[in-house]
Amino acid sequence: KQEVTQIPAALSVPEGENLVLNCSFTDSAIYNLQWFRQDPGKGLTSLLLIQSSQREQTSGRLNASLDKSSGRSTLYIAASQPGDSATYLCAVQTGANNLFFGTGTRLTVIP
Amino acid sequence: ETGVTQSPTHLIKTRGQQVTLRCSSQSGHNTVSWYQQALGQGPQFIFQYYREEENGRGNFPPRFSGLQFPNYSSELNVNALELDDSALYLCASSLATSGWETQYFGPGTRLLVL
Repeated sequence: KQEVTQIPAALSVPEGENLVLNCSFTDSAIYNLQWFRQDPGKGLTSLLLIQSSQREQTSGRLNASLDKSSGRSTLYIAASQPGDSATYLCAVQTGANNLFFGTGTRLTVIP
Repeated sequence: ETGVTQSPTHLIKTRGQQVTLRCSSQSGHNTVSWYQQALGQGPQFIFQYYREEENGRGNFPPRFSGLQFPNYSSELNVNALELDDSALYLCASSLATSGWETQYFGPGTRLLVL
C-alpha cells in the first residue's frame, strides 16, 4: 500500500528566507505527484503537478522536483512571504485513479 | 469558468443519522472524486465517479455511497453516522482523457457528528 510521508510536520521561517519541504513515498509506481496548498478550514489548491517522466516543475517562486526511483520529492519556495503561510500537502497518483496524500507541512512565515 | 462548489459548507448531525453532501463539478469535467480529511490528517480517498459509474473506491465501508448525475454533479451519502465520521469532506473534479489530469478541489463540507 502506498504511504506518503512529509517532513517536517511544521516549519516557521522569517520572511524572505528560502525553504524546502520534503515528501517521500513508498511505492515508486506512480503516474504523477502533486503539491497542494491548504489554508485553514479550506479546500485544496493545486500548486504544481509533476508527471512521472518529469524531474521538476516551476511556477513563479515555487519549484518542485521528483526523484521517482528514490521515492522523494521536494518543494522549494524562494523568498518566502507571510502570504505563503498555509499547510502544504503532497499527493501521488497511482493506477488506482486516486491520490494518496501525506499529512502535510504547516508553514508559518513570520513578518 | 465555474469552479467546484460544495454544499452545505457546515453540517451538524447526531450519531446514527444519515447525511447527503453535494458537489458541482467544474464546467466540462466528467470525473468526480470524494475525499475525507480528518483533523490534522491528509485527505483520504473515498471513491470516484466517471460518467455516472463508480470508478474506484478507497477503504471505506458500504455505508459511504455516492451518485453522479448526467450533468456530472455528485452526491456523497453517509448512513448510520459515527463520531469518527466528523471531518472535512472534499470533492474534486477533473477531465479524464488519455491520462490523469489535475484534480480541482472544492472548498469542502465540514461535518460534525455529535
